[in-house]
Amino acid sequence: LAKTTQPISMDSYEGQEVNITCSHNNIATNDYITWYQQFPSQGPRFIIQGYKTKVTNEVASLFIPADRKSSTLSLPRVSLSDTAVYYCLVGEPTYNQGGKLIFGQGTELSVKP
Amino acid sequence: DAGVIQSPRHEVTEMGQEVTLRCKPISGHNSLFWYRQTMMRGLELLIYFNNNVPIDDSGMPEDRFSAKMPNASFSTLKIQPSEPRDSAVYFCASSSLDRAVYGYTFGSGTRLTVV
Repeated sequence: LAKTTQPISMDSYEGQEVNITCSHNNIATNDYITWYQQFPSQGPRFIIQGYKTKVTNEVASLFIPADRKSSTLSLPRVSLSDTAVYYCLVGEPTYNQGGKLIFGQGTELSVKP
Repeated sequence: DAGVIQSPRHEVTEMGQEVTLRCKPISGHNSLFWYRQTMMRGLELLIYFNNNVPIDDSGMPEDRFSAKMPNASFSTLKIQPSEPRDSAVYFCASSSLDRAVYGYTFGSGTRLTVV
């Protein structure tokens, strides 16, 4: 399983765009990149997943360069409610390959007014 | 759907007692995962099942821990005997075959305190 490295913490202010970068130098060909969000006293929540280039949904965008050795989660115009821990995970998501995901330490994002 | 349902939400027990945590996955999901979260060790995968069959239990800390999935709608994680170092939040998660799109859905967790 590919190891991931992401900043331990980040601070931001309401209304700003936040970019959290994750490095995964040993990513394998079949691996997908997945991001989860966890609020205090809750389980992690799936945000976005991608394989290459750019993926966008109603919550965030995920940018993956051609070499796939890193990825960037982009949160547009954050609010106080985006204060949470964000986890970057790399692994095979499909059923036939098992698909277990291993969580790293995550990035604790603090959004201030 | 009510999501992944875990019970109890909180459990306080004395050292040496048996503890059973319960999980009801989302209907139709084929995979179920048990995680443990502590400040020191973060989120650790304990065991996971595909179609009710245990696939990987390498994360189970020791023989005091056991997990079962008798059917597609129910799983238990049992600790016997419990120890203070087992205090943590235990999460259950489930996923469907189309994991690439929807990822895992986690329950709200069971906060276990062993005194």
